[in-house]
Amino acid sequence: EAGVAQSPRYKIIEKRQSVAFWCNPISGHATLYWYQQILGQGPKLLIQFQNNGVVDDSQLPKDRFSAERLKGVDSTLKIQPAKLEDSAVYLCASSSLAVEQFFGPGTRLTVL
Amino acid sequence: DQQVKQNSPSLSVQEGRISILNCDYTNSMFDYFLWYKKYPAEGPTFLISISSIKDKNEDGRFTVFLNKSAKHLSLHIVPSQPGDSAVYFCAASARQNFVFGPGTRLSVLP
Repeated sequence: EAGVAQSPRYKIIEKRQSVAFWCNPISGHATLYWYQQILGQGPKLLIQFQNNGVVDDSQLPKDRFSAERLKGVDSTLKIQPAKLEDSAVYLCASSSLAVEQFFGPGTRLTVL
Repeated sequence: DQQVKQNSPSLSVQEGRISILNCDYTNSMFDYFLWYKKYPAEGPTFLISISSIKDKNEDGRFTVFLNKSAKHLSLHIVPSQPGDSAVYFCAASARQNFVFGPGTRLSVLP
């Protein structure tokens, strides 16, 4: 069974630029999560999708972050414009009806 | 306001001995607790979980204990192996909404 795929693995941008991350969850997993993990901290939920509907986006900075999950499969997370404090690893995870989540390898974003 | 706390940033144990990682939470609505293991440059990997209706769950070398009255859980690894060296995250869930602790870095010394 293929795991959660994410791309790119690394991205370096300057502040005020835009960036987008892509996630392909495990086939058949209805729930998809985007997390932000800042160095030294645990993952923080940004947004949770159930199929292509948003379940929770209460911690998503909506003035600069956006996410979509078209057709209930792949998802993209966008930051526009980026700030220095957005430097972090962005993790995508998916789950089925079980509670356990399966994480992708993450995208490490550096904002200069 | 940290709902899930892991007060030990790091822990070192000798190979073959027991590793005990601790986690405290504040929200009594959490009904499921999980431990994840993370190696550098990889995403977290699910290790073991426990429902709030249980007080112990065991899977091979890994056992998780839950003390609801103290809002405390712990992960025991016996015996510890060098390959267990990683960052361990405790996570708590309410209605599939997950909150993670800051992690504990475990080093198992040969």
